[in-house]
Amino acid sequence: QAVLTQPSSLSASPGASASLTCTLRSGVNVGAYSIYWYQQKPGSPPQYLLRYKSDSDKQQGSGVPSRFSGSKDASANAGILLISGLQSEDEADYYCMIWHTSAWVFGGGTKLTVL
Amino acid sequence: EVQLVESGGGLVQPGGSLRLSCAASGFTFSNFVMSWVRQAPGKGLEWVSTITGSGGTTYYADSVKGRFTISRDNPKNTLYLQMNSLGVEDTGVYYCAKLGEPDWGQGTLVTVSS
Repeated sequence: QAVLTQPSSLSASPGASASLTCTLRSGVNVGAYSIYWYQQKPGSPPQYLLRYKSDSDKQQGSGVPSRFSGSKDASANAGILLISGLQSEDEADYYCMIWHTSAWVFGGGTKLTVL
Repeated sequence: EVQLVESGGGLVQPGGSLRLSCAASGFTFSNFVMSWVRQAPGKGLEWVSTITGSGGTTYYADSVKGRFTISRDNPKNTLYLQMNSLGVEDTGVYYCAKLGEPDWGQGTLVTVSS
């Protein structure tokens, strides 16, 4: 089982909110980790969005709109990237990442379609 | 302004070798942990390797351990990735990055094919 699992795709309408999940493998406690989120558009390198560990320990990427926010769902053992007020330019691949057992680990990515 | 510029990619036959470079500028290079991340065509991101600021500690993904070597030359502000025994599964865009920070290069394409 992969350390980080993301749904492969998600669709949402312009102006709506999208909640992208990053589920940690059983036994890997989400509360112990900072979860990093990246956005990648075709032909471009990933762009850093934010880091979230807790409400008191988080970092927004420079220039990243506040409608991108992070949180955790401890009951689901998951990190969440919430994008509110969806815009067409939010259509992209989104990756979560953690530092786990001396390795960086990426989730498989979620392709967000805004339609 | 932080800049990370990769070079050294290209076409190589299976079993061959390649050395990637990443020229860094706009920050105190020796103060930062640096990493390589790759992306196969149409696939997701895969972490490859990480090196501490001094170069004293290195980390590798299991998929490249024993074949790839990460290193750095701090006076030259340059990060390297020596890749040996390349296979078709190593094909992809290789990014130099300060993981956990916003800074990534544009990537260099490595194609392993006969």
